[in-house]
Amino acid sequence: QVQLVQSGPEVKKPGASVKVSCKASGYTFTESGLTWVRQAPGQGLEWMGWISPSRGNTNYAQKFQGRVTMTTDTSTATAYMELRSLKSDDTAVYYCARLELVGAPDWGQGTLVTVSS
Amino acid sequence: ELTQPPSVSVSPGQTARITCSGDVLPNQYAYWYQQKPGQAPVLVIHKDSERPSGIPERLSGSTSGTTVTLTISEVQAEDEADYYCQSADSSGTMLFGGGTKLTVL
Repeated sequence: QVQLVQSGPEVKKPGASVKVSCKASGYTFTESGLTWVRQAPGQGLEWMGWISPSRGNTNYAQKFQGRVTMTTDTSTATAYMELRSLKSDDTAVYYCARLELVGAPDWGQGTLVTVSS
Repeated sequence: ELTQPPSVSVSPGQTARITCSGDVLPNQYAYWYQQKPGQAPVLVIHKDSERPSGIPERLSGSTSGTTVTLTISEVQAEDEADYYCQSADSSGTMLFGGGTKLTVL
């Protein structure tokens, strides 16, 4: 079965960067896109962008343009999301999810990123 | 932009309907996710009205113009959760509704 296993919780200071990983198994990594979605405490789901592991092309939400980079390592079937210049309102659970068309049938367990001085 | 009601309340055994409105919906598929506290979202409806394997038949999706609807029949206590609709625009930007909290009275 499809599994997406994310890296552990992070605590960062304002202005720092964070890199979250998402290791995929149970399917052919290059055959599905991957998307990143975050959820601030008590808030809804917010789309950040997606990446095609086969081509490496990306589509980022305008809000995160210039501050986010999504990459993949096909040799290890792992996706990465780096967010820079962190602010307190970047505190959230960050999810990776496998795409089918534009829906996401499989999700990682989430990674809590806390930004605090 | 996708618009959902913030909350819906129903008694056990009744039918809950959660709507989602947006201009992209006549031209793009809609997806529905169920999220319980502390858990990742779970896809419950894809491509407007299809149920992934393992999702009860009590959950169904429908579409009419700029509105899609998630219907939960014979609501049970276990259905209490947040529900999100999702679609995409023509540029591939994913869109999420603000979420609807379903309360089972």
